[in-house]
Amino acid sequence: EDQVTQSPEALRLQEGESSSLNCSYTVSGLRGLFWYRQDPGKGPEFLFTLYSAGEEKEKERLKATLTKKESFLHITAPKPEDSATYLCAVTGSGYSTLTFGKGTMLLVSP
Amino acid sequence: DTEVTQTPKHLVMGMTNKKSLKCEQHMGHRAMYWYKQKAKKPPELMFVYSYEKLSINESVPSRFSPECPNSSLLNLHLHALQPEDSALYLCASSPLVVSYNEQFFGPGTRLTVL
Repeated sequence: EDQVTQSPEALRLQEGESSSLNCSYTVSGLRGLFWYRQDPGKGPEFLFTLYSAGEEKEKERLKATLTKKESFLHITAPKPEDSATYLCAVTGSGYSTLTFGKGTMLLVSP
Repeated sequence: DTEVTQTPKHLVMGMTNKKSLKCEQHMGHRAMYWYKQKAKKPPELMFVYSYEKLSINESVPSRFSPECPNSSLLNLHLHALQPEDSALYLCASSPLVVSYNEQFFGPGTRLTVL
């Protein structure tokens, strides 16, 4: 059975304090790894798709990387508006539905 | 335009009521999804439509009835719900139902069942 584990469950940072969120996965034939950001009471906002080990993508203060076992979401010099829950999800061979992790709740204090 | 819209934003209903949730996208996507999300949990897949046909039903109770009138619209008809059905209901779309396509989510409908 496919599994996605995100750590830490919650992370508190000071503004400007860089850090990384982890997404470990077990999937038969990875087809895609997806990062989403979700604000309270709103729908997930798509951030990145990674397809193969070694791939990296960047958007503003966020950078996502992928290995054969895990993905990292690096946050450089975060701002309070980066506070949200970050969700990781994967798809594997033979099916197309997303398997989500439980998310990391990030709080950035000014 | 990568927008999925959902109406209403909030809905309060009694256990004997019948109501509907609506979802719309104009990105030309041919796959549409309904998810249910409880507080502090990830979204749970309910239904998948591909080319307006139901392709996946994740063993959802019959009190939830999906409908896809055309390629841009997705409805979720609700009847005789239970208080435990209170949740954020999310609609999503993707170009196709294939594993490498990212899904774009709407803002959700917050449903409260009294």
